[in-house]
Formats: sequence, C-alpha cells, structure tokens
Amino acid sequence: GDSVTQMEGPVTLSEEAFLTINCTYTATGYPSLFWYVQYPGEGLQLLLKATKADDKGSNKGFEATYRKETTSFHLEKGSVQVSDSAVYFCALSKAAGANNLFFGTGTRLTVIP
Amino acid sequence: DTGVSQNPRHKITKRGQNVTFRCDPISEHNRLYWYRQTLGQGPEFLTYFQNEAQLEKSRLLSDRFSAERPKGSFSTLEIQRTEQGDSAMYLCASSSRLAGDGELFFGEGSRLTVL
Repeated sequence: GDSVTQMEGPVTLSEEAFLTINCTYTATGYPSLFWYVQYPGEGLQLLLKATKADDKGSNKGFEATYRKETTSFHLEKGSVQVSDSAVYFCALSKAAGANNLFFGTGTRLTVIP
Repeated sequence: DTGVSQNPRHKITKRGQNVTFRCDPISEHNRLYWYRQTLGQGPEFLTYFQNEAQLEKSRLLSDRFSAERPKGSFSTLEIQRTEQGDSAMYLCASSSRLAGDGELFFGEGSRLTVL
C-alpha cells in the first residue's frame, strides 16, 4: 500500500547549520507530496508541496524536490534558525483529488542558538 | 482567530464510556477531515466530509466510531464504549474546494486518554 518513510529524529542543529530531513515514499500512480510542520502549541500546517516529478516546492527558505527515480522528497534548508524548531511530517496523497493524506512518523528538529 | 477549532482539548475518561469531540472548521471551507495520531506516529486518516455528506471512511473507523456534520458546518466525532487503544490525539482539518490537493488546515487536536 501507499506509505511514507521518514528519517527518524530527533535532530538537533546549531543555528545557521544546513538541514536535511529524508523522506521516501511508496505509492502506485503519481502521488502528490507534501511537507507539513507543527510548531509547539500549534496545529499542523502545510509547509510546501510538489505535485509531479521534478517539481520543487519551496517556502520560508525550505525546499524539497520530487524525485520519482529515487521515490524521494527530502526537505532541505541552507541555514536554520531557532524559530524552525518544530516537528516536520512528510506526506503523500495518492492521486489528484484524493481526500486523504498518508503521513510519515514525523521528525523533531531542535535548533540551538 | 478564524482557524480550525476543536473542543475539548483534552478528555480523560474511563474505559467503556462514550466521548464526543467537536470541530469547527474555517467558515468558508466545505471539506472537513478527521485524523487520529498516536504517540510517535504521524496522523492517520479517519474520515472525510464534503459539506454534510460523509464521502470516505477509513477501515480504522470501527463501528464504535461515528462522525457527523449535520449542516455542513461543525462536525462531531463520537466514540462509544471507549477502549484503552482509543487513547490518541484526534485531529480535525478543513479545506476549501478552491485549495490545491492536500492543502489542509489543522486544528490543535483533542487528546483522549482512556483509563
């Protein structure tokens, strides 16, 4: 079945360090891929998305590229800030118009000054 | 604040009791979702409404679970005869038909603890 495998955490980085959180997926067809973020005390919110192969999603300095050949959607940021401390979830929807998302287990990121 | 609102935020109950959670979506959103999240896991889809119609249900939604959205606005999720395995965070999300696929707005969740 459809699934998402996400890099286990927690991840602790110093401010301005480079971030990579790995995400790979298993799906039939052509899923859309997402990164959601949950800041402390808040609900999940969409960070970025990509809907087809080779698309790059970007937002708030974060980027992820949809790689069909490696079935991956790794999240990257060149220079993290303390305010990026949160839990990050990779997710997929199995087809356009699908109404449910499959989430990974989440990766907790802590950025220290 | 016009985000997704969920109540109660935390419910502690004894095994066998019934519980009900309420979700108020963003007002112009016609799509509403319930997810469940257990410790250390990502959210798992439970059910989906478009307006008042429940269009999709996960196999996770056993007969003890029922969800309604009577007027296409707020929604309730009821769990009957709770079991300890029902302990989880229940997340509600909403989206607009104009939004892109997967663009959901989540509430902060209702945490259920079954003793």
